[in-house]
Amino acid sequence: NAGVTQTPKFQVLKTGQSMTLQCAQDMNHEYMSWYRQDPGMGLRLIHYSVGAGITDQGEVPNGYNVSRSTTEDFPLRLLSAAPSQTSVYFCASIQTGGAGYTFGSGTRLTVV
Amino acid sequence: ELKVEQNPLFLSMQEGKNYTIYCNYSTTSDRLYWYRQDPGKSLESLFVLLSNGAVKQEGRLMASLDTKARLSTLHITAAVHDLSATYFCAVDMTSGSRLTFGEGTQLTVNP
Repeated sequence: NAGVTQTPKFQVLKTGQSMTLQCAQDMNHEYMSWYRQDPGMGLRLIHYSVGAGITDQGEVPNGYNVSRSTTEDFPLRLLSAAPSQTSVYFCASIQTGGAGYTFGSGTRLTVV
Repeated sequence: ELKVEQNPLFLSMQEGKNYTIYCNYSTTSDRLYWYRQDPGKSLESLFVLLSNGAVKQEGRLMASLDTKARLSTLHITAAVHDLSATYFCAVDMTSGSRLTFGEGTQLTVNP
């Protein structure tokens, strides 16, 4: 089915480890974004992209890197995981001028 | 900086009752979204409000938007247990590239 696919669904990391959260969409959407969800704080924007080769920071970018080499993929990299990065991560996409975001199913990350 | 505030943050109500969730935002916006989230799940889109005075209804839920007051409401009519979930409003200032979310309203509907 068309949509936004996030992998993995669950991950446990040790402090200092690095990893990449994958996000792929097959709807040819130009805009993609990453959010983290923490209890009582809603979802907060980490990074976003308005097209291949173009990325920008959101509200909480520290500790995360992104790149957008293709329209389909928007991976989120944790360079050196910290316990404060324990959260649920959601990727979303939307077509230019579109009226609805499509969210992935989320990645639940625990850093110990 | 755009701020989005929801109230109440927690809402416990009885089946059959009516209630309203409020969403205030701080700057002019292109569009406003309402989402539902069940525990451990992703976000389910409920409504997209694109203009001042927009009103949309789906079942027992009705959403409205007043861009002059920078206020959206989500009205629940004759609540049922299946409506128990967390509801988020989110504002898009940039015609589609990113969202700013409210804190969410955790709704519990009791029999």
